[in-house]
Amino acid sequence: AQSVAQPEDQVNVAEGNPLTVKCTYSVSGNPYLFWYVQYPNRGLQFLLKYITGDNLVKGSYGFEAEFNKSQTSFHLKKPSALVSDSALYFCAVRVYRDDKIIFGKGTRLHILP
Amino acid sequence: DARVTQTPRHKVTEMGQEVTMRCQPILGHNTVFWYRQTMMQGLELLAYFRNRAPLDDSGMPKDRFSAEMPDATLATLKIQPSEPRDSAVYFCASGFSGRTSYEQYFGPGTRLTVT
Repeated sequence: AQSVAQPEDQVNVAEGNPLTVKCTYSVSGNPYLFWYVQYPNRGLQFLLKYITGDNLVKGSYGFEAEFNKSQTSFHLKKPSALVSDSALYFCAVRVYRDDKIIFGKGTRLHILP
Repeated sequence: DARVTQTPRHKVTEMGQEVTMRCQPILGHNTVFWYRQTMMQGLELLAYFRNRAPLDDSGMPKDRFSAEMPDATLATLKIQPSEPRDSAVYFCASGFSGRTSYEQYFGPGTRLTVT
């Protein structure tokens, strides 16, 4: 069965510091992995995806994610955090041979000025 | 800039009333998903369609919820009768089912309050 785990409910980072939001997954078949961001009172916004190819995937707003097959992880990263990055972040995995994707519970990211 | 649109953005209704939420997917997308988001349960998949055909509605309370796609530009989610526990934000998302394109694009949501 497919599943995705975000072990941290909340992450606090000082502005200008690098940030990491963690995600681990369990899939059947090749993993299709996604990150989404949700700002207050808004829908989820697609940030980036890993389907195949380079393990480091670049996305919107300077975010990137590193796919690690041996650790079954897909951590979201950014070299220098902005206060405007404060939001709720969701990791997601596609259900094998299906259109559905399963979302993690979300990690709230606070960037401290 | 193609976007998923949802109406209404906010709905306050009394228990027992019918609620209809509408979604216009991005033109050219062939999958549509309905989600519900609450603080307690997080994001729950209620139903989804591919090429307008309903493929999975196992997440919906069958006795009161129904989802349809009368045409490719409109998806609806109906609750009848509504109950206070239905209070949540309901999101529609659309996507394209293909070899490398499974990401979904979300609308702004309908915030439903049932009193």
